[in-house]
Amino acid sequence: EPEVTQTPSHQVTQMGQEVILRCVPISNHLYFYWYRQILGQKVEFLVSFYNNEISEKSEIFDDQFSVERPDGSNFTLKIRSTKLEDSAMYFCASSDNRPSYNSPLHFGNGTRLTVT
Amino acid sequence: GQNIDQPTEMTATEGAIVQINCTYQTSGFNGLFWYQQHAGEAPTFLSYNVLDGLEEKGRFSSFLSRSKGYSYLLLKELQMKDSASYLCARGGGGSYIPTFGRGTSLIVHP
Repeated sequence: EPEVTQTPSHQVTQMGQEVILRCVPISNHLYFYWYRQILGQKVEFLVSFYNNEISEKSEIFDDQFSVERPDGSNFTLKIRSTKLEDSAMYFCASSDNRPSYNSPLHFGNGTRLTVT
Repeated sequence: GQNIDQPTEMTATEGAIVQINCTYQTSGFNGLFWYQQHAGEAPTFLSYNVLDGLEEKGRFSSFLSRSKGYSYLLLKELQMKDSASYLCARGGGGSYIPTFGRGTSLIVHP
């Protein structure tokens, strides 16, 4: 079964550094998402991306964050000037259409980001 | 906000049936999802309800009452591997994108 892949699985960075989290969504999917989950807390929506532009974003997704689809397969999340509170598991997801029964979100295994 | 409420933790016995409830804010509702998440892993899709009633899928069923803002996930013939967090998520407020609740941690014991 096709799956969403994320790299790296773990990333440790120092406060103030920039990180790029990478995702390869399922190949025929058109909608892409980033969520994050701080340890012990709920999965939080960050941003969705469709037709080469951001379609929705949450309050968390401020100017520190950006997303890009640099080519036909990758979808990246960049965090500029990381803060301690950015430490979390970051999940990429994709769907072939708007989320529904026939088009659920498929999640990758996540990148655990630790900011020291 | 979406005001999604679920019990924090439940325990059940292998082979039994368990029902995990979820209540949510009804305004602007656009569908209710259930996901399973094992510790340290990605959420995996279980079910989706947009109309009232019961959707059955093997050992798992999900129910929705839109007027009451209520859903439940029913797990039958529990197995040890069903120990996981069960996440209720709804689309709404002008968006189809799932917003997740805190999840219910289910512990299945022998």
